[in-house]
Amino acid sequence: NAGVTQTPKFQVLKTGQSMTLQCAQDMNHEYMSWYRQDPGMGLRLIHYSVGAGITDQGEVPNGYNVSRSTTEDFPLRLLSAAPSQTSVYFCASSYSSPGSSNQPQHFGDGTRLSIL
Amino acid sequence: AQSVAQPEDQVNVAEGNPLTVKCTYSVSGNPYLFWYVQYPNRGLQFLLKYITGDNLVKGSYGFEAEFNKSQTSFHLKKPSALVSDSALYFCAVRDSADRGSTLGRLYFGRGTQLTVWP
Repeated sequence: NAGVTQTPKFQVLKTGQSMTLQCAQDMNHEYMSWYRQDPGMGLRLIHYSVGAGITDQGEVPNGYNVSRSTTEDFPLRLLSAAPSQTSVYFCASSYSSPGSSNQPQHFGDGTRLSIL
Repeated sequence: AQSVAQPEDQVNVAEGNPLTVKCTYSVSGNPYLFWYVQYPNRGLQFLLKYITGDNLVKGSYGFEAEFNKSQTSFHLKKPSALVSDSALYFCAVRDSADRGSTLGRLYFGRGTQLTVWP
């Protein structure tokens, strides 16, 4: 049982480059989300999805795009990388929205992204 | 607006002593409250949650948390700390009245680094 799988684990980009962070889950969860973790700031929600074809913005969506074409996958795209996007990115999934069921969010191990 | 405060960046305790990691929250409705733990280079792992019912919630690895509505707090506790409990702990909240565009958002605190020394 793989749970939530994020790739790559590490990435270094130059300013202006674009890339896609991959997230896949094998638990048939409807709800998926992307967070960024910065020192002293905890986790901040970037985008989330309540099911295939449905996405919405979180607290810090600027500079990021998402899509949800399948239940399993929820990629995060950086359109034009900026040094301010240097962070650790976490993908999470759950059966439904957090708190609405007895099943908690499951997190991937993160992607550590550096923008030079 | 919903928010969570973890007033201590670091908590240091000796192994075998009780530990407390503090969390206070602010929501407009009734809160759903969560504790997560993060070990180095790993994602967050769920410890416990309060939705409704008993104010004392028991979770994984011997942790428990007490919901106090009058003090808007949800402190994490353990009677006897282990060195292996050393990790980063996050409190999170969701407003039970969330609907529409805010549905499902969890708001996280900044985290508290717990160090248990032998």
